[in-house]
Amino acid sequence: KAGVTQTPRYLIKTRGQQVTLSCSPISGHRSVSWYQQTPGQGLQFLFEYFSETQRNKGNFPGRFSGRQFSNSRSEMNVSTLELGDSALYLCASSPQGIYNEQFFGPGTRLTVL
Amino acid sequence: DQQVKQNSPSLSVQEGRISILNCDYTNSMFDYFLWYKKYPAEGPTFLISISSIKDKNEDGRFTVFLNKSAKHLSLHIVPSQPGDSAVYFCAAKSQTGANNLFFGTGTRLTVIP
Repeated sequence: KAGVTQTPRYLIKTRGQQVTLSCSPISGHRSVSWYQQTPGQGLQFLFEYFSETQRNKGNFPGRFSGRQFSNSRSEMNVSTLELGDSALYLCASSPQGIYNEQFFGPGTRLTVL
Repeated sequence: DQQVKQNSPSLSVQEGRISILNCDYTNSMFDYFLWYKKYPAEGPTFLISISSIKDKNEDGRFTVFLNKSAKHLSLHIVPSQPGDSAVYFCAAKSQTGANNLFFGTGTRLTVIP
């Protein structure tokens, strides 16, 4: 099976712009979660989508949003970018069930100038 | 509030010896624990997991021990190999049905040939 894919791998934006990141989960996986990794905060949970519905949300401002399509592919959007949004954004997919491990993609490195 | 803590940011071990990575958690609702390994510019790779109904799980050179009363888990790698050099993240989740993982800040393991 192909792994989790994320596009683009690298992105440079300026403050105030918005950005959309894409994630394609492993075939058959219906849960997609997004995480932000920064040097200071480590890996932090953004949100999870399951069957096109947001099932859980982390403690991030409303500028961070996402969605999931019927084929389980997911996008996340960040509006009005701030310098502090510079991070590695990781997508993870897992099969149905809460005791399954999550499989991560390679991430999208976002730099906000 | 960091609910999962890895207090050692780095660890160096000679090749062939045992590597012990430690992790503490504060939330007693956590009942499933995972270890991930991460190389630079890649997403985390799942290594091994343990449910709270067990106190040990073994997979090849990797063994995870869970001490629920102390809210502590550890990952043992025996024997350590240079290819094990990476950042190791401990993660935890709860049985509430939410699929999000709470991650520690990671321990950088260096295995010296």
